[in-house]
Amino acid sequence: GDSVTQMEGPVTLSEEAFLTINCTYTATGYPSLFWYVQYPGEGLQLLLKATKADDKGSNKGFEATYRKETTSFHLEKGSVQVSDSAVYFCALSGTTGRRALTFGSGTRLQVQP
Amino acid sequence: SAVISQKPSRDICQRGTSLTIQCQVDSQVTMMFWYRQQPGQSLTLIATANQGSEATYESGFVIDKFPISRPNLTFSTLTVSNMSPEDSSIYLCSVLNTEAFFGQGTRLTVV
Repeated sequence: GDSVTQMEGPVTLSEEAFLTINCTYTATGYPSLFWYVQYPGEGLQLLLKATKADDKGSNKGFEATYRKETTSFHLEKGSVQVSDSAVYFCALSGTTGRRALTFGSGTRLQVQP
Repeated sequence: SAVISQKPSRDICQRGTSLTIQCQVDSQVTMMFWYRQQPGQSLTLIATANQGSEATYESGFVIDKFPISRPNLTFSTLTVSNMSPEDSSIYLCSVLNTEAFFGQGTRLTVV
């Protein structure tokens, strides 16, 4: 079945550092890929998405490119802020009729001033 | 977009009791799901709530433990039955139209 693998956290960075959170997936066909963010005490929010190979999703300075050849969707940001501290989830939406999302394990990001 | 109201937001329950969680959406949606997020872990799909018919459960989840109702296209409930401390989790309602939207979650603690 479908699966998503994320790098383990927590990730601790200083403000203005470069961020990469790795995400790889296993799925049949061409799934849609997502990054969700969960800020402390809040619900899940969609951060960005990509629906086909080579698409780049972007939002709030974050980017991720759908790489079919490496089955990856790594999240990047050039300069993180303290306000980016949250848990980030990579997810996919399958192509075989199951429309619910399959989530990775989540990566906690802590940005220090 | 879709705005989801989920309640209660949190509860502390005695083992052996049941809790019903409500999910109200501000628009009609075909696809509605219930997830569980155990402490420090990711989201696991419990079931797809089907309007007018029985929910479709994922492996490891059964109707007797997690009965679900979906009387119309804007509302669903999830009941956690005969609770044990292992049921302590965040339970989330989600809907799918152009993208997936999530409720704020219900943080359940079973003592």
